[in-house]
Amino acid sequence: DAKTTQPTSMDCAEGRAANLPCNHSTISGNEYVYWYRQIHSQGPQYIIHGLKNNETNEMASLIITEDRKSSTLILPHATLRDTAVYYCIVRVAYNFNKFYFGSGTKLNVKP
Amino acid sequence: GAVVSQHPSWVICKSGTSVKIECRSLDFQATTMFWYRQFPKQSLMLMATSNEGSKATYEQGVEKDKFLINHASLTLSTLTVTSAHPEDSSFYICSARDQAVEQFFGPGTRLTVL
Repeated sequence: DAKTTQPTSMDCAEGRAANLPCNHSTISGNEYVYWYRQIHSQGPQYIIHGLKNNETNEMASLIITEDRKSSTLILPHATLRDTAVYYCIVRVAYNFNKFYFGSGTKLNVKP
Repeated sequence: GAVVSQHPSWVICKSGTSVKIECRSLDFQATTMFWYRQFPKQSLMLMATSNEGSKATYEQGVEKDKFLINHASLTLSTLTVTSAHPEDSSFYICSARDQAVEQFFGPGTRLTVL
């Protein structure tokens, strides 16, 4: 599975959009981009995933560049409850669905 | 989304004893479950893949005789930490895959070995 690179931490003001970047320059054509988040002392929570096209759901939007070498997770209106570690994971869909977590980005939403 | 539970949510045990952690998929059948370990301020580390009705597959460096995994049914996988020692103290998290591509995680079990 392709390796991902994320900033260690980011700050965001409450109510503003949080844009979390992820680099995956070695991604293959059949690898998906997944985003999960982990609030302190809880299990990871699924946010969104995509292959090529941009995706949006009730939680967030996922923007994947045309060359698929990077992506951005957007939380449109961050709240204090969005403070968490956000993980960007790239993997092949049929690889027994194994997830290998990187170090993630700690998002601090501040009032 | 689908719900995965773990029991217990936390456990404290003496060094040398064995501890069993249960992972259940509550509203779906999971042919495959996964076990992770997470030390403080670190990311999740995949330990093993648990397949219903067959032996678990362990990641490199994980001792299969120390971390016994049983996946006896489509809704239950268990992780037994045998002869636990203080260095086994960690946050253990399971996940389960349904028929879709998403993977759902349990709330985790905090193990403290004295």
